[in-house]
Amino acid sequence: GENVEQHPSTLSVQEGDSAVIKCTYSDSASNYFPWYKQELGKRPQLIIDIRSNVGEKKDQRIAVTLNKTAKHFSLHITETQPEDSAVYFCAASILHTGTASKLTFGTGTRLQVTL
Amino acid sequence: EAQVTQNPRYLITVTGKKLTVTCSQNMNHEYMSWYRQDPGLGLRQIYYSMNVEVTDKGDVPEGYKVSRKEKRNFPLILESPSPNQTSLYFCASSLDRGTGELFFGEGSRLTVL
Repeated sequence: GENVEQHPSTLSVQEGDSAVIKCTYSDSASNYFPWYKQELGKRPQLIIDIRSNVGEKKDQRIAVTLNKTAKHFSLHITETQPEDSAVYFCAASILHTGTASKLTFGTGTRLQVTL
Repeated sequence: EAQVTQNPRYLITVTGKKLTVTCSQNMNHEYMSWYRQDPGLGLRQIYYSMNVEVTDKGDVPEGYKVSRKEKRNFPLILESPSPNQTSLYFCASSLDRGTGELFFGEGSRLTVL
């Protein structure tokens, strides 16, 4: 089955700096790659996703890049703010026609933005 | 308000005492899934369901059962809980067969003594 590895497990940046979280996946058939943010004591929430037909997607201060050849994708957060502090999960799944796909999550990155 | 509701939110039980964690969504989503979250292991899928009466195993199904008799409900059943099932459990639903946005419940923290 699919295996998603995520690095680093913890990341500390100063406010205003950029943060990058990287994930690799094993199944070349994976075609959907979401990122979820989980604030302390809260539920995970989708912040951005990318499908395999594009290489990059941006939404204000966050962006995701995808390299299908290398089977890795990354989350980039620019101009980090204290409210960006959270655990971030990457995930990968395969879209099967007519059936449910299975989403496999990475192990998470705890991002801390310091003042 | 669109939401996924789990109950109970917190539960302490003893080994072997059957329990059910309920999950209900009001968004008419076809896809529902259960995850457990453990430190250092991320979110691991237990079971998922594409629609009523259609369920399938995730990565860690051992010791769990599910049912999908109605579209809105997807209960997680622990027939004989063991301490290694102590975890934070999340139910989630999605409109788009699992590849669209997953909407998570608030989580259920289970402790098995």
